[in-house]
Amino acid sequence: GESVGLHLPTLSVQEGDNSIINCAYSNSASDYFIWYKQESGKGPQFIIDIRSNMDKRQGQRVTVLLNKTVKHLSLQIAATQPGDSAVYFCAERPPPNTGKLIFGQGTTLQVKP
Amino acid sequence: GAVVSQHPSRVICKSGTSVKIECRSLDFQATTMFWYRQFPKQSLMLMATSNEGSKATYEQGVEKDKFLINHASLTLSTLTVTSAHPEDSSFYICSAVYNEQFFGPGTRLTVL
Repeated sequence: GESVGLHLPTLSVQEGDNSIINCAYSNSASDYFIWYKQESGKGPQFIIDIRSNMDKRQGQRVTVLLNKTVKHLSLQIAATQPGDSAVYFCAERPPPNTGKLIFGQGTTLQVKP
Repeated sequence: GAVVSQHPSRVICKSGTSVKIECRSLDFQATTMFWYRQFPKQSLMLMATSNEGSKATYEQGVEKDKFLINHASLTLSTLTVTSAHPEDSSFYICSAVYNEQFFGPGTRLTVL
């Protein structure tokens, strides 16, 4: 596999605050990126995606920003809630497009009530 | 949304035995499924791409003779961990492609 096997960094925020989770991706030719949320003992859950021809996309309470110059993705969660506590992964789809995704390191988000 | 199931959800086996994990797309057909492995506190690592009716494509460093993949139908892919050892203990996750990847709930494998 190609993902990096490092231990996950943790972001701790107060309930109601905004959260920003960052991710560096590896392949400058990747054309599609996804953010996933993974709760303990479960599979990843789709949050939001963005194509490489965009630099920002908004969903409900979430925004993804893409900076291709420095190969950086961020996920912004507005008004963070306790239910947002989970591990968040970014994933990139490198060429050729076989549907294969490469997952980033991941960040644990802890929301303090 | 599309639903992917895995069976079993958790399994404990003795060292040297083989374990089969099933991945099913419940409400759609998937010509492509993926298998991932996830160690505690780590990211998902892609193991292989499973294509219906053809041989799986394994990622570099993944032993194809140890992790046997069979994608015999458009709704079922199986991963068999042969002669499992404690270092194979991990969380195995599959995904099925229907415009995007939909992930299963994962299978926790513990090898004693």
